[in-house]
Amino acid sequence: GENVEQHPSTLSVQEGDSAVIKCTYSDSASNYFPWYKQELGKRPQLIIDIRSNVGEKKDQRIAVTLNKTAKHFSLHITETQPEDSAVYFCAASMGGATNKLIFGTGTLLAVQP
Amino acid sequence: DGGITQSPKYLFRKEGQNVTLSCEQNLNHDAMYWYRQDPGQGLRLIYYSQIVNDFQKGDIAEGYSVSREKKESFPLTVTSAQKNPTAFYLCASTPGVSNQPQHFGDGTRLSIL
Repeated sequence: GENVEQHPSTLSVQEGDSAVIKCTYSDSASNYFPWYKQELGKRPQLIIDIRSNVGEKKDQRIAVTLNKTAKHFSLHITETQPEDSAVYFCAASMGGATNKLIFGTGTLLAVQP
Repeated sequence: DGGITQSPKYLFRKEGQNVTLSCEQNLNHDAMYWYRQDPGQGLRLIYYSQIVNDFQKGDIAEGYSVSREKKESFPLTVTSAQKNPTAFYLCASTPGVSNQPQHFGDGTRLSIL
């Protein structure tokens, strides 16, 4: 079945450094790729998303890149801050006229002050 | 203030008991979803509904049931057939068009007594 692989499962960086999280998807019909941030015990919140007609999207310190040929997409956070510490999930849409998403297993990002 | 409301925040289930988790949205979204989240795993889809009076099984529907009698409500029942119900349950919704972000509620944490 369709799946999304996410790496690494944990990531520790120093404040001010960059963080990169990578995902690979299997369904070639996927065309929507959101990223969510989840703080402990709270709801996942959308931080950025990208659609398949775009290769890169940026929003302040956060950027997402998409390589449809390789079925890879990545989240880049620059100038990390302690408040960036959380679990980050990638997701990919399933083909067809639905909003069903398949989620990666998450990356625990720790930003050390 | 528009959003998704899940209740209760914490729920305890006794052996052989069915329990129902509430999810209400006032975003006028057509589609609603239930996910289960376990430590170290991503969000796994239990059931989803794209329209009132219609719903489909997700990847882990066994031991769960849902109804969609009203657009704004999508309750999830965890039945006694679900032998390992301890988890964090998240409800989400999206507008009817495809490739839109899912908006999440605050979740319900279910534990076994």
